[in-house]
Amino acid sequence: GAVVSQHPSRVICKSGTSVKIECRSLDFQATTMFWYRQFPKKSLMLMATSNEGSKATYEQGVEKDKFLINHASLTLSTLTVTSAHPEDSSFYICSARDMVEVQETQYFGPGTRLLVL
Amino acid sequence: QKEVEQNSGPLSVPEGAIASLNCTYSDRGSQSFFWYRQYSGKSPELIMFIYSNGDKEDGRFTAQLNKASQYVSLLIRDSQPSDSATYLCAVRGSSASKIIFGSGTRLSIRP
Repeated sequence: GAVVSQHPSRVICKSGTSVKIECRSLDFQATTMFWYRQFPKKSLMLMATSNEGSKATYEQGVEKDKFLINHASLTLSTLTVTSAHPEDSSFYICSARDMVEVQETQYFGPGTRLLVL
Repeated sequence: QKEVEQNSGPLSVPEGAIASLNCTYSDRGSQSFFWYRQYSGKSPELIMFIYSNGDKEDGRFTAQLNKASQYVSLLIRDSQPSDSATYLCAVRGSSASKIIFGSGTRLSIRP
């Protein structure tokens, strides 16, 4: 299957700082990427859909000014958690859609574990 | 009604037996169906996809799709302890914009 990478894999930051997470599709181009967060033992929660060259589409209840998404190229999307607070500590996972495949499978990155102190 | 429904489990199956995971969806126009496996603390990984009615086999895994009943299932033959994980059913609806995930079924294979 296709490969999606995320960086960093884990990050610890102080409250009030910003953290940027990168998501790359390594062997395919992705016009659409998705950002999820997941709390321990809970379901995946879709935060936003990232569209190359245009604004992201945020799910209800997700603050777009707090979770900045940029999809500058067909292989890279970034999520910036601004002014992070302890309640933002979570597992953030990106997913990229391979539009070449008939079924347009979504492949997941390995995730980024964020801890805000 | 949730768009994609799964029994949360846990589903406990003895080693070597067949594990059967079920999923129902609400959008009758749904096009593609996916099964992902997620180990604790890891991100989901794709097991297989199906988009035609019937069965699709890949090694020990068989996906079954019945669009009339809006039902998709995953069978795992010769279950191994390493199959213990949460299994996510995902459906691409008629709008085709994004995949909707079920909340997952936790599977435990007991030795």
